[in-house]
Amino acid sequence: ETGVTQTPRHLVMGMTNKKSLKCEQHLGHNAMYWYKQSAKKPLELMFVYSLEERVENNSVPSRFSPECPNSSHLFLHLHTLQPEDSALYLCASSPSDRGDSPLHFGNGTRLTVT
Amino acid sequence: EDQVTQSPEALRLQEGESSSLNCSYTVSGLRGLFWYRQDPGKGPEFLFTLYSAGEEKEKERLKATLTKKESFLHITAPKPEDSATYLCAVQFNYQLIWGAGTKLIIKP
Repeated sequence: ETGVTQTPRHLVMGMTNKKSLKCEQHLGHNAMYWYKQSAKKPLELMFVYSLEERVENNSVPSRFSPECPNSSHLFLHLHTLQPEDSALYLCASSPSDRGDSPLHFGNGTRLTVT
Repeated sequence: EDQVTQSPEALRLQEGESSSLNCSYTVSGLRGLFWYRQDPGKGPEFLFTLYSAGEEKEKERLKATLTKKESFLHITAPKPEDSATYLCAVQFNYQLIWGAGTKLIIKP
């Protein structure tokens, strides 16, 4: 089992729904990340948290709202999404947010917005 | 503009047919280059980190090399289980820039 667990694995939601993605890491890392992965495109960094404080928000629309209650858990709250938000959402963790150590990824949540 | 480009976009090989994947970058002040493997339905899995030109790392049938402008992932005598998408990412300052990946298919 991976050290980073994401739930749910698949999610289908309408444009008016509200849902949340959950990520949990069991590696004792201090930094956690949300990435968006679309077909044939590079990974897009959305949010970075270090020791539960948000350190980066890459101009992500406000319909995506992150929450990091502690260093082991990360949530991504979704509301009034658009069809172009359909993608694989990946959570990752690393020992620090300095970018100098490998990321450990979960297996992602496949989101479909109808 | 800082950029990372991977080529080819897709590569089909016969089992045992060696080849190389390319990751070129225009980032100045490289601090590290990472290679990841991603299987369908899974998250990327870390393979290698390279820090300076001339450095090489090996793992089973994979060898990663680094120059001042690009990195190669050489695959020797690949097997069907090596089929995956291979991603590279370049670190400069405290940021990572990702390539779009190369999808590798090894036919038995």
